[in-house]
Formats: sequence, structure tokens, C-alpha cells
Amino acid sequence: SQTIHQWPATLVQPVGSPLSLECTVEGTSNPNLYWYRQAAGRGLQLLFYSVGIGQISSEVPQNLSASRPQDRQFILSSKKLLLSDSGFYLCAWSVTGGRGTQYFGPGTRLLVL
Amino acid sequence: DQQVKQNSPSLSVQEGRISILNCDYTNSMFDYFLWYKKYPAEGPTFLISISSIKDKNEDGRFTVFLNKSAKHLSLHIVPSQPGDSAVYFCAVVIQGAQKLVFGQGTRLTINP
Repeated sequence: SQTIHQWPATLVQPVGSPLSLECTVEGTSNPNLYWYRQAAGRGLQLLFYSVGIGQISSEVPQNLSASRPQDRQFILSSKKLLLSDSGFYLCAWSVTGGRGTQYFGPGTRLLVL
Repeated sequence: DQQVKQNSPSLSVQEGRISILNCDYTNSMFDYFLWYKKYPAEGPTFLISISSIKDKNEDGRFTVFLNKSAKHLSLHIVPSQPGDSAVYFCAVVIQGAQKLVFGQGTRLTINP
């Protein structure tokens, strides 16, 4: 069966510091991968998605970037965090060529102070 | 421009009764729809889906109805249980782009 991991679970970072959140998927090959953010009391905002190694599509201009160095690894980064980057970050995967159902990881809560 | 709308931010239902969550969409070309359930500080969990070739799909206590002419789908939970208290998101698949568009969510509270 497939599993998706995210770490860390919680992160408190000062403004201006760098960020690296990691997501890995097990039990599947060549998945589509996604990064979402849920701000407090808001819905799910798609940040980035990837259909293959090195292929990244950005949905919203922002202070963040994403990379996919390996087939089942997706990384969300920032060089300098802003207060507005605080939120709950979710990674998800879907089957390439499938109906589109996405399966989510446990999430990372980021607090920028 | 919101392509998927959940107009009720919250819903309160008594335990044992039916919960009905609603979702409207704008594009008649959408052909696959999903419902997710989310607890605080956890990732959303896929609940149930429906293709546009159907008007109903059932899985245990959960039933999704699709009204294509009205561009409306609903999730029925019966009987409602305390563990159903969560935020429910509807989503539509953007084919070709392999993306989902989510509604804003409805917070369901089941009262004992």
C-alpha cells in the first residue's frame, strides 16, 4: 500500500530564516506530487505541483519554491521566511494518468515569529 | 472566480440524524467530484467520489448525489456520529492538468 510522509510535524522559525519541508511517498512510482497551504480558518490553496522529476508548476507567486530531486521526493523551500508564510502545509500525491484523486500527508504546522 | 463553492461555513446536526453538506460548481465540463474530511492539524482524508456519468454513489453511511443540470453535489451522512465532526471539503478534478479545485469547506458538528 502507499504511504506519504511529511516532516517535520511542527516548526517554529524566525522571520528571515530559511525553510525546508520534505515529503516522500512510498509504494508507488512516478506519482504526481502537490504542495498545499491552509492558512488559519481558510481553505486549501495549491502552491506547487509536479508531474515528474525536475518538473515544477507554480500556482501562486510567493516567497516559496519547490523541487523534486527524486521520483518520490518533494521539497518546499524558502530562502527568507515572512510572517505571512505561517500556516499548515500539506503534501499530496495522485496516480499519474488516474482519475485525479489525491491522497494527503499528515501536514506540517509552520509558525513564523 | 470561485469554481467550487460551499456556501455553508458550518453545520450543526444531532447525533443519529442525517447530515447534508452541499457544494456548487460553475463549469459543466467538470466530470469527477470528490469529498474529503479533515480533522484539525491532520491532512484531509478522501471519503467518496462520483463520476458525472452517475447521479449517486454510496459507501456505507456516506452517499454523494450529483445533479448535473443544477451543477450541484451533496454529501449525505446517515446516521451522523460524533466522530463525523470535522471540516468537509468538496473538490473537482481539472482533467489534463491533474489538479483539484477545492471548496472552502464546511465545518460539521455532531451534537450528542
